[in-house]
Amino acid sequence: NAGVTQTPKFQVLKTGQSMTLQCAQDMNHNSMYWYRQDPGMGLRLIYYSASEGTTDKGEVPNGYNVSRLNKREFSLRLESAAPSQTSVYFCASSGGQGANSPLHFGNGTRLTVT
Amino acid sequence: DQQVKQNSPSLSVQEGRISILNCDYTNSMFDYFLWYKKYPAEGPTFLISISSIKDKNEDGRFTVFLNKSAKHLSLHIVPSQPGDSAVYFCAASVEGTYKYIFGTGTRLKVLA
Repeated sequence: NAGVTQTPKFQVLKTGQSMTLQCAQDMNHNSMYWYRQDPGMGLRLIYYSASEGTTDKGEVPNGYNVSRLNKREFSLRLESAAPSQTSVYFCASSGGQGANSPLHFGNGTRLTVT
Repeated sequence: DQQVKQNSPSLSVQEGRISILNCDYTNSMFDYFLWYKKYPAEGPTFLISISSIKDKNEDGRFTVFLNKSAKHLSLHIVPSQPGDSAVYFCAASVEGTYKYIFGTGTRLKVLA
């Protein structure tokens, strides 16, 4: 069971460089999410896609773009990386809403911007 | 504005005793709440959830209590085991929004 797969696991960028974080899920889930985790800040929602064909901003969307490529894949793009984007990024998916439809997370991408 | 708060960054408990992790929220519209556990270098994993129409949900050693009037929920782990040592996040969502808002986490250390 692969679940939610994120690539790459680690990445170092220079300020101003761009990159795309990839995420794929094999659980046939409708909803997908991108979070970032920073010390003392918990998990903050960047963007989410409630269903294929839709995307919406979360709590901290500035500096990011997303693409819901198909039902399985949801990518996060940094067009011009900044040191403030140094973080651990988690992708998650969910089959629905409610207490019985929790998020399933990938193992994260650790990004450092110098 | 932090809608979901975990005011204790860390907690240490002796093996076999009860661990109580707390979470407060400000948005009375939240319909359900979830707890996640996170080990280093891994993604968070789902533990237990509760709907706002209930005040308690139990799953093995884990029980979540919800006090809507106080906008407070807690996770009880009994008995605590060393393998429970991890960071615990509470999360909340409003039905129809698809958005899950997380707290800042509490690091639990269970001492053998």
